Amino acid sequence: NAGVTQTPKFQVLKTGQSMTLQCAQDMNHNSMYWYRQDPGMGLRLIYYSASEGTTDKGEVPNGYNVSRLNKREFSLRLESAAPSQTSVYFCASNSPLRGAHYGYTFGSGTRLTVV
Amino acid sequence: KNEVEQSPQNLTAQEGEFITINCSYSVGISALHWLQQHPGGGIVSLFMLSSGKKKHGRLIATINIQEKHSSLHITASHPRDSAVYICAVHSGGGADGLTFGKGTHLIIQP
Repeated sequence: NAGVTQTPKFQVLKTGQSMTLQCAQDMNHNSMYWYRQDPGMGLRLIYYSASEGTTDKGEVPNGYNVSRLNKREFSLRLESAAPSQTSVYFCASNSPLRGAHYGYTFGSGTRLTVV
Repeated sequence: KNEVEQSPQNLTAQEGEFITINCSYSVGISALHWLQQHPGGGIVSLFMLSSGKKKHGRLIATINIQEKHSSLHITASHPRDSAVYICAVHSGGGADGLTFGKGTHLIIQP
């Protein structure tokens, strides 16, 4: 099925460990996003990539790095995990064109716990 | 930074009732999205609006740009409509992502 695929779905890390969350879309979308969702808060933007080869910081980028590997794939890396990064992470994609906007497609989420 | 407020935060209703969820935002936008998140976490896009009204099945979304306000209505509500409904806005003209409300947790009882 066409859409956004995130892996893994669940992960437990120890403080200081590193990991990479993977995201791939097969809709030929230009733009990809990483959000985190915490209890009592709206989703917040970590990083985004407007097009292949570009990445930009969002609202909460500290402690994260990203790579737009190609048009399909956008990964999120935690170099040294901290308990404050315990959250549910969502990847999303869409394809804005000349100022128009289209519906976003979200991945199923990664539930990350840092102990 | 756009501030997005949703009301109510929680809503419990009986099957068949007409449901209204409200969203207001502080700064002019280029588009507003309504999203649905079921238990288990997946997020689905319901509507994208820049003006007027859209309808899909029993769901209706409206937006008033001058009032900076949008509503999501569910007619003939059903227990399967139980979910978190999230309002999100796109403030700019580029690809710089959405600002989200905290969501409205809706429970429809049989």
